[in-house]
Amino acid sequence: GAVVSQHPSWVICKSGTSVKIECRSLDFQATTMFWYRQFPKQSLMLMATSNEGSKATYEQGVEKDKFLINHASLTLSTLTVTSAHPEDSSFYICSVRGTYNEQFFGPGTRLTVL
Amino acid sequence: LAKTTQPISMDSYEGQEVNITCSHNNIATNDYITWYQQFPSQGPRFIIQGYKTKVTNEVASLFIPADRKSSTLSLPRVSLSDTAVYYCLVVYSGGYNKLIFGAGTRLAVHP
Repeated sequence: GAVVSQHPSWVICKSGTSVKIECRSLDFQATTMFWYRQFPKQSLMLMATSNEGSKATYEQGVEKDKFLINHASLTLSTLTVTSAHPEDSSFYICSVRGTYNEQFFGPGTRLTVL
Repeated sequence: LAKTTQPISMDSYEGQEVNITCSHNNIATNDYITWYQQFPSQGPRFIIQGYKTKVTNEVASLFIPADRKSSTLSLPRVSLSDTAVYYCLVVYSGGYNKLIFGAGTRLAVHP
């Protein structure tokens, strides 16, 4: 299956700053990637669908101006959390849709906003 | 998207077979069933997927009855390292294949 990496694996930032998280598909050309958020002891929540070369599709209740997604190539999608606040602290996970519609997930990025 | 229902938690012992059943009563014709495993602070890992009858791979089996309203993930001879959260998802085969995760089943394997 596809190998997916995320960078950074963890980040701590001050309230009000912006943080960029990268998701890379290392061995698979991904036209579609997904971004999820997961709070402790909870399930994954789909935030948006990232489409190469076009705008992302956001799920209801997810602020697109706060969570900027860019999918500029077939191997890279980025999620930028703008003006981060403590309530944005979470585990952010991306995934890549594979050939048979299975999804391969990255290792996740732990964001802590102070 | 079909809603799934699975037990919140399960306990087992090393070497036992574990069966986790998932209900998906409103599954549609074009939907298929997939299972993921997640360890703490890691992304989910794909385990198995199927459409009907039985699917087996090197780590698990997936049993799907004819009406497809439920499915059972079978883990043979579990070990302590199988302690994780297991998610059952119904995925539409068309479109962007969005995954909507339910609460999952927390499996605890004891020595």
